Amino acid sequence: EDKVVQSPLSLVVHEGDTVTLNCSYEVTNFRSLLWYKQEKKAPTFLFMLTSSGIEKKSGRLSSILDKKELFSILNITATQTGDSAIYLCARPMNSGGSNYKLTFGKGTLLTVNP
Amino acid sequence: EAQVTQNPRYLITVTGKKLTVTCSQNMNHEYMSWYRQDPGLGLRQIYYSMNVEVTDKGDVPEGYKVSRKEKRNFPLILESPSPNQTSLYFCASSLSVSNEQYFGPGTRLTVT
Repeated sequence: EDKVVQSPLSLVVHEGDTVTLNCSYEVTNFRSLLWYKQEKKAPTFLFMLTSSGIEKKSGRLSSILDKKELFSILNITATQTGDSAIYLCARPMNSGGSNYKLTFGKGTLLTVNP
Repeated sequence: EAQVTQNPRYLITVTGKKLTVTCSQNMNHEYMSWYRQDPGLGLRQIYYSMNVEVTDKGDVPEGYKVSRKEKRNFPLILESPSPNQTSLYFCASSLSVSNEQYFGPGTRLTVT
């Protein structure tokens, strides 16, 4: 059973559209939730969320966390072809004592067509 | 420049021939980990290290070993590689598990 679930798994939009990507997670021992963007190389960091209801924003991208409903969303407004990428969310999961592994969702493949 | 380096970047090997992929970071990060990325399966953590001499299994540890004898280095060892370990591997480091992970450039491994 997946502990971090992203939806949709893929999405095709036209330039200028607004998209909303979802990431839901299990409740245990929440510490943070992180978003990454991956183009044809290593993932790059977008946002770290720890508090519910506080929006993080960077240009056309924004993200918010809902700790009551156990999900986060990543919004991209006025999409551009350069936004085409895999978007990943991840959260630390306690694996015993003070050890934490990091679990990623399967990602959302976003394709922005001109 | 703050970075995570991995070597080699590309490797083609044969079943059963032991190999090591090195990973080094220069940011004095405590948390380091290894991931493999396969189509449709996303990034899966193989092993992680909370600090020097503290390592633990991630979600897919079978067939891999790691060590963390010093803070900056976290090598991944495949004692007897098999074709199902053909994958793209990333090393990453961060201040703690909750913080931004800095990823290395990746190692593309093919086991024939």
